[in-house]
Parts: sequence; C-alpha cells; structure tokens
Amino acid sequence: EVQLVESGGGLVQPGGSLRLSCAASGFTFTDHYMDWVRQAPGKGLEWVGRTRNKAKSYTTEYAASVKGRFTILRDESKNSLRLQMDSLKTEDTAVYYCVVVTVFPGAFDGWGQGTMVTVSS
Amino acid sequence: DIQMTQSPSTLSASVGDRATITCRASQSISNWLAWYQQKPGKAPKLLIYKASSLESGVPSRFSGSGFGTEFTLTISSLQPDDFATYYCQQYNTYPLTFGGGTKVETK
Repeated sequence: EVQLVESGGGLVQPGGSLRLSCAASGFTFTDHYMDWVRQAPGKGLEWVGRTRNKAKSYTTEYAASVKGRFTILRDESKNSLRLQMDSLKTEDTAVYYCVVVTVFPGAFDGWGQGTMVTVSS
Repeated sequence: DIQMTQSPSTLSASVGDRATITCRASQSISNWLAWYQQKPGKAPKLLIYKASSLESGVPSRFSGSGFGTEFTLTISSLQPDDFATYYCQQYNTYPLTFGGGTKVETK
C-alpha cells in the first residue's frame, strides 16, 4: 500500500526558507514520478512541481509561481522526497501535499496527508 | 497554460439525486483528465482517470465521460458520503492544472 508522510511545515517569515520532506513507502521509489500540490486556506488545488523517475534522471518541472524559488529533490537512500522553499512569500501559505503517480502517464493516485506552511511576519 | 473551468461552483442536491459536474479545458487535452473528491481537512482522492476510467475501489455510481475539451463527472445516485468538493485536473501539458472545484452540498 502506498504511504506518503509529509513533515517540515510551520511558520516562517516572508523571505525565509523552509524544507518539506515526504517519506515514501509501499512502492519502488525510484520508478515513479512524484509531485507537490498545494492548497491555500479555503482555496482550490494548485500544482507546484514534479520530479520524474530515475530513468528520466529525476528531471523536474515547476509551476511559474514557484520557479526559481522552489526546488524538488529526492533522497534515494531514505526514500524521501524534498521540497526546498526559498524566498517565501505570504501567498505561499498553504497545505502542501506530496503526491505519487504510480502508473505513468497518469493521475495523482497516491496522496500524503499534507503539511501546513504559513508565511507571515 | 491550459485553463480548466468547472461548473457549477456549487451544486445543491438530495440523497438519491443524479449529480452532473462539467469541466471545460481551454484547449484540447485528449482524454488526459482526472477527477478527485476532497472532504474537509482531508487529502483529495482520485475517482476517475483518463476521463472515464474508474479508479480501483471507487463505487460504480461515479462515472466520467468526454474527450478533447468537454468532460463530465456523473454521480448516478448521490449517497450521504458523496457530499464533498470535486476537482478536475488535466495532465496533458505542463503546467498541470486543476479546475476551481465544485462543492456538492445538501439541498
């Protein structure tokens, strides 16, 4: 069974940095595309970015709103997905979900429980 | 970017009603469309992928249809557990984009 557990959320000041982690289990970590999706309070879902699988050299794609500020990384040794968030803005306040695509090309069929990030002074 | 437009934004219905939600893409996405259900405080759950394929474990009262730019999610007979918010999402082109959501509420 796919399990994704996010951690690292919290309160950070505008301009600051935060790193989220997602512990993955129940599937072969290197084989699958993984994404981050966020949801601002009371708002809809927004795709943040993607890392492809190892066969595709873990290449990445980002939403325009975070490109150049956010970086998605994988730690194979820990089966962990990371989201490094720099130059944070108040509009980055959201619940951040770690997501896996187990069948590519496919939809988001595995979701974590989410971790809250609040950017405020 | 491909814009995904859902309608209605809110749907008021009763248990046993048929519910239909529409999603329109700003350009063709073939059948690379998914539908998700989200309940308050919970992560979204995949219901339908590739426009009309039912995710394993999802009740058969849920169905999807469409191709190109027009898509529909239908719940044939609403059950109490179905009152939630529904999102469509295209995965044809980067950036991946979601519709604005449809809240299905009790009439």
